[in-house]
Amino acid sequence: EPEVTQTPSHQVTQMGQEVILRCVPISNHLYFYWYRQILGQKVEFLVSFYNNEISEKSEIFDDQFSVERPDGSNFTLKIRSTKLEDSAMYFCASSEAGRGFYGYTFGSGTRLTVV
Amino acid sequence: AQRVTQPEKLLSVFKGAPVELKCNYSYSGSPELFWYVQYSRQRLQLLLRHISRESIKGFTADLNKGETSFHLKKPFAQEEDSAMYYCAFGGTSYGKLTFGQGTILTVHP
Repeated sequence: EPEVTQTPSHQVTQMGQEVILRCVPISNHLYFYWYRQILGQKVEFLVSFYNNEISEKSEIFDDQFSVERPDGSNFTLKIRSTKLEDSAMYFCASSEAGRGFYGYTFGSGTRLTVV
Repeated sequence: AQRVTQPEKLLSVFKGAPVELKCNYSYSGSPELFWYVQYSRQRLQLLLRHISRESIKGFTADLNKGETSFHLKKPFAQEEDSAMYYCAFGGTSYGKLTFGQGTILTVHP
């Protein structure tokens, strides 16, 4: 069964540093998403991406965040200047059609620790 | 705005007992509802989607529009069902999912 792949699985970074989290969505999927889960809290939507542009973003997704699909296969989330409160598990997801019938496939996540 | 509520943070049952994980939503239109399961900090896995009315691993969930609920049920719980269960709502045009707080299910032997 096809999978969404995320790298790295765990990243530790110093406060103020830039980080890039990488994702390889399922190849025939057209809609891409980032979610985050702070330890002990629920999964929160960050951003959706379709047709090479952001289609929707949450209040969390401020100017420190950006997404990119640089080469037609990778889908990246960049945090420009990390803060302690950015420490969380970040999940990438993709969907064939952006609608419920097909579901959404999640990656195994990147645990980001900001120190 | 749509909202998903899972009122129980923790649920414990014994093996073989019935289990029901509650989920209520608020949305005025036609919702798309899902149950996701997360085993021991692994990836979120799709368990059920209301639109397909399927049964996976013995779990079922029925959308009740009158009660705005989408409770997850299994008649006989197994130890391997122990996990975090998230109810999720999707309905926007680009497929954003809104998750409930999650319910940790523990099935005791």
